[in-house]
Amino acid sequence: GAGVSQSPSNKVTEKGKDVELRCDPISGHTALYWYRQRLGQGLEFLIYFQGNSAPDKSGLPSDRFSAERTGESVSTLTIQRTQQEDSAVYLCASSLSVESYNEQFFGPGTRLTVL
Amino acid sequence: AQSVTQLGSHVSVSEGALVLLRCNYSSSVPPYLFWYVQYPNQGLQLLLKYTTGATLVKGINGFEAEFKKSETSFHLTKPSAHMSDAAEYFCAHNDYKLSFGAGTTVTVRA
Repeated sequence: GAGVSQSPSNKVTEKGKDVELRCDPISGHTALYWYRQRLGQGLEFLIYFQGNSAPDKSGLPSDRFSAERTGESVSTLTIQRTQQEDSAVYLCASSLSVESYNEQFFGPGTRLTVL
Repeated sequence: AQSVTQLGSHVSVSEGALVLLRCNYSSSVPPYLFWYVQYPNQGLQLLLKYTTGATLVKGINGFEAEFKKSETSFHLTKPSAHMSDAAEYFCAHNDYKLSFGAGTTVTVRA
């Protein structure tokens, strides 16, 4: 079956512009996660959605970052007024539910470069 | 707060040799621990996980890991390295969201 897909695969933008990154989770997965992978900084949790519950936004680094999810389908991560430190690979993952024993399935990522 | 620590940012092994990647966790309760692999320019793929039950966990591609509560460790091993094992490996703890170690890059020498 289809895995997690993300678009675009690469995005180059100028400092100060807004960007939107899209994630399509595996069908039937109620939990969806966003992570960020910056060079030399490791993988950082940003936000997760579980069904109709309020999302856990505890990892969002600033109010320039926001995310939405439509039901149990696609999610969009928006970064406003991008800064050079936002350059990273943004990874989306989904799982059957948010229970900690569940595997998270990752997409290929979106590589964001802010000039 | 729960955290995982990976010892060694780079490991170089000869083809056919043992691969040993170290991961230690800090927690007062049994954690949910995962090993993921990331090949160049790809997303993460699950190698194996420990939740409850048997402490020796077998995963894909010949990898296995043993959960040792007394040592707070979850080291990853493979008896015989293959060139295709060259990748970055991440140990992670799952508490509704994954907290990752810094990663270990494995290179395999012919």
